[in-house]
Amino acid sequence: GAVVSQHPSRVICKSGTSVKIECRSLDFQATTMFWYRQFPKKSLMLMATSNEGSKATYEQGVEKDKFLINHASLTLSTLTVTSAHPEDSSFYICSARDSGGSEAFFGQGTRLTVV
Amino acid sequence: AQSVSQHNHHVILSEAASLELGCNYSYGGTVNLFWYVQYPGQHLQLLLKYFSGDPLVKGIKGFEAEFIKSKFSFNLRKPSVQWSDTAEYFCAVNRRNGNNRLAFGKGNQVVVIP
Repeated sequence: GAVVSQHPSRVICKSGTSVKIECRSLDFQATTMFWYRQFPKKSLMLMATSNEGSKATYEQGVEKDKFLINHASLTLSTLTVTSAHPEDSSFYICSARDSGGSEAFFGQGTRLTVV
Repeated sequence: AQSVSQHNHHVILSEAASLELGCNYSYGGTVNLFWYVQYPGQHLQLLLKYFSGDPLVKGIKGFEAEFIKSKFSFNLRKPSVQWSDTAEYFCAVNRRNGNNRLAFGKGNQVVVIP
């Protein structure tokens, strides 16, 4: 299957700083990428849909100024958590699908810890 | 918006036992259905999917799932589990011909005791 790579896999940052997470489709072009947040013992919560070359579509309740998404190329989307706070600590997962497919492929996730 | 329900968050069973995980969704339109597995420390991987055709779908590692439209269900089964099946299992749904936004259930944490 297609490969989606997420980087970094773990990051610890100080409260008030910003953190950038990268999501790359390695062997296909991803016109659409999705960013999820996973809470312990809870489902994956879709945060936003990232479309190449246009603005991301955020789900209700997700602050777009807090979670900046950029999808500048067909193989890369980035999520920047700005002015991070401890409550932003979570597991963030991206997924991507190619232009012709119905299946989404997932990155390995990023464990963010804000101290 | 569609929602997905998975029951019995924690499942503990012995090797060779049979496993069935329930999944129910709320959307009334045409849907695509998925089961994903997340092994400890690894990313989500697709176990199997249903788009159309035979409602009994066979996936990797001996898993299968049956789509029952009248019950809005897509239950996952494996006749005889192994220790290596210890993982978290997620059911997911998206709308056919939609924008591919997946709605996930809360997951089932399955622990297989050797």
